[in-house]
Amino acid sequence: QVQLQQSGPGLVKPSQTLSLTCVISGDSVSSNSAAWNWIRQSPSRGLEWLGRTYYRSKWYNDYAVSVRSRITINPDTSKNQFSLQLNSVTPEDTAVYYCARDVGTVTPFEYWGQGTLVTVSS
Amino acid sequence: DIQMTQSPSSLSASVGDRVTITCRASQGISNNLAWYQQKPGKVPKLLIYAASTLQSGVPSRFSGSGSGTDFTLTISSLQPEDVATYYCQKYNRAPWTFGQGTKVEIK
Repeated sequence: QVQLQQSGPGLVKPSQTLSLTCVISGDSVSSNSAAWNWIRQSPSRGLEWLGRTYYRSKWYNDYAVSVRSRITINPDTSKNQFSLQLNSVTPEDTAVYYCARDVGTVTPFEYWGQGTLVTVSS
Repeated sequence: DIQMTQSPSSLSASVGDRVTITCRASQGISNNLAWYQQKPGKVPKLLIYAASTLQSGVPSRFSGSGSGTDFTLTISSLQPEDVATYYCQKYNRAPWTFGQGTKVEIK
């Protein structure tokens, strides 16, 4: 059974960097079939996919155009986890952030983290 | 990017009613469509994938259909525990996008 456990601060100041971590159990961040995603949800933007990292003989990343200039998703194989960094945040980045797994080339998100409410405020 | 449009945005129905939610893609996505259920304060739960395949453990009163651009989620007999917001999501290729959601309430 795959489990995703998120951690990170719930309050970030404007212009600073939002950082979250997702620890994986029951699978490997280096899996050749899984992809590790970050998704956020807010009343104004709904559910918004932000990006993913995955390993297929080497590491790849895909990012949403809306955040491409500000986002980094990194795997950490030593801790079997992956992280989200979102730079230069504004109040519009206030949302519940989720990590999630998909498997294979074309699959939905079967496993999700518990969600982290991140508020951007001074 | 492909846009996903759901209708209606909300509905109210009686227990036992048949409920249908529609999702339309701005371009064809074959059958690469999933439906999620999200109860208040909870994580989205995968209900249906490949447009019509029921995820393990999901009650059989839920069903999905469609291909290409037009899809439906049907609850054959609405139950009180089905009160939630339902989202469609396309996953044929990045970026993965969701519909705006349909809130289902009991009348």
